[in-house]
Amino acid sequence: DAGVTQSPTHLIKTRGQQVTLRCSPKSGHDTVSWYQQALGQGPQFIFQYYEEEERQRGNFPDRFSGHQFPNYSSELNVNALLLGDSALYLCASSFGTSGWDTDTQYFGPGTRLTVL
Amino acid sequence: DQQVKQNSPSLSVQEGRISILNCDYTNSMFDYFLWYKKYPAEGPTFLISISSIKDKNEDGRFTVFLNKSAKHLSLHIVPSQPGDSAVYFCAASADRGSTLGRLYFGRGTQLTVWP
Repeated sequence: DAGVTQSPTHLIKTRGQQVTLRCSPKSGHDTVSWYQQALGQGPQFIFQYYEEEERQRGNFPDRFSGHQFPNYSSELNVNALLLGDSALYLCASSFGTSGWDTDTQYFGPGTRLTVL
Repeated sequence: DQQVKQNSPSLSVQEGRISILNCDYTNSMFDYFLWYKKYPAEGPTFLISISSIKDKNEDGRFTVFLNKSAKHLSLHIVPSQPGDSAVYFCAASADRGSTLGRLYFGRGTQLTVWP
């Protein structure tokens, strides 16, 4: 049973460029959340997708956008990259959005984005 | 603003002893708290959680304690093992009892367990 997978593993971009990161949820999961983890910080919530729609959003500018496909996989797009966008981007998946203490979100290994 | 705080960036403990990791929060709306463990090059993995209506939850060697009045929680690992060496993140949810929505994370504590 494959867990959460993300691609690519590493990515280097220059300021002003655009980037797309991809996430495949754990088998049976239909909800995907994206987090940004800057160096020395904890993960910061970007947004969550459920039923192909953005359900929740954190405090990130509109340069950060996403999409969820019918097969539940998801993309994170970042436009007009800034140096400060350099971070580890984590994807988490779950089944539904209203779980109890026996349910949890499963995280992928992340994509390391470096902006030069 | 950091609503979940882990003030100790690192902790070093001898194998067999107790590890105590601490976490403070500021948002009174948080109703569920979780601990995640992260090894290098891997995503965070869920360890244990506690609802705000409880003050203790135990799972094997791991126990989480919650003090709502102090807005403080702690993770106890007894006995500590070298394989426990990892970064531990405290996280909180304000999603009406759900742990599947937005999570607020602390900055993490690097635990090192030495033989």
